[in-house]
Amino acid sequence: DAGVTQSPTHLIKTRGQQVTLRCSPKSGHDTVSWYQQALGQGPQFIFQYYEEEERQRGNFPDRFSGHQFPNYSSELNVNALLLGDSALYLCASSLVPGGSSYNEQFFGPGTRLTVL
Amino acid sequence: KQEVTQIPAALSVPEGENLVLNCSFTDSAIYNLQWFRQDPGKGLTSLLLIQSSQREQTSGRLNASLDKSSGRSTLYIAASQPGDSATYLCAVITGANSKLTFGKGITLSVRP
Repeated sequence: DAGVTQSPTHLIKTRGQQVTLRCSPKSGHDTVSWYQQALGQGPQFIFQYYEEEERQRGNFPDRFSGHQFPNYSSELNVNALLLGDSALYLCASSLVPGGSSYNEQFFGPGTRLTVL
Repeated sequence: KQEVTQIPAALSVPEGENLVLNCSFTDSAIYNLQWFRQDPGKGLTSLLLIQSSQREQTSGRLNASLDKSSGRSTLYIAASQPGDSATYLCAVITGANSKLTFGKGITLSVRP
């Protein structure tokens, strides 16, 4: 049973460019959340997708956008990259709703984005 | 606004010690609390999930407790090993299907 997968592993971009990160949820999960983790900090919630719609959004600008596909996989897009966007981007999946594992979130290995 | 605090930021112990990692949160109306482990540069591994109706969960050498009324959780690690060295993060969900709010984590080093 594959867990949460993310691609690419690492990415280097320059300021002003655009980037797309991808996530496939754990088998059987239908909800995908994205988090940004700066060095030495806890992950910060970006947004959550369920049934191909953005259900919740954290305190991130509109430069951050996403999409969820019918197979539950998801993309995170960041436009007009800034140096401060350099971080580890984590994808988490969960099942809505469920039994004893209700709302337990499972994370992927992350994508390390470096903006030069 | 929910805030999660983990103190201290770093901890170094000799191998074999039993240790307790603390987590506190400001809004007691949580749905559940999750403890994660993160190795350097890696993703998060879920260790334990405690739902709001539960007081504790156990997995192997790990035991996590939850006291909603006081806004506290502890992660107990028995007989620590060098392989336990990592950053431990706690996170809470306030409301079903809501976001996880994380602490900054505690970086644990277990000395051989």
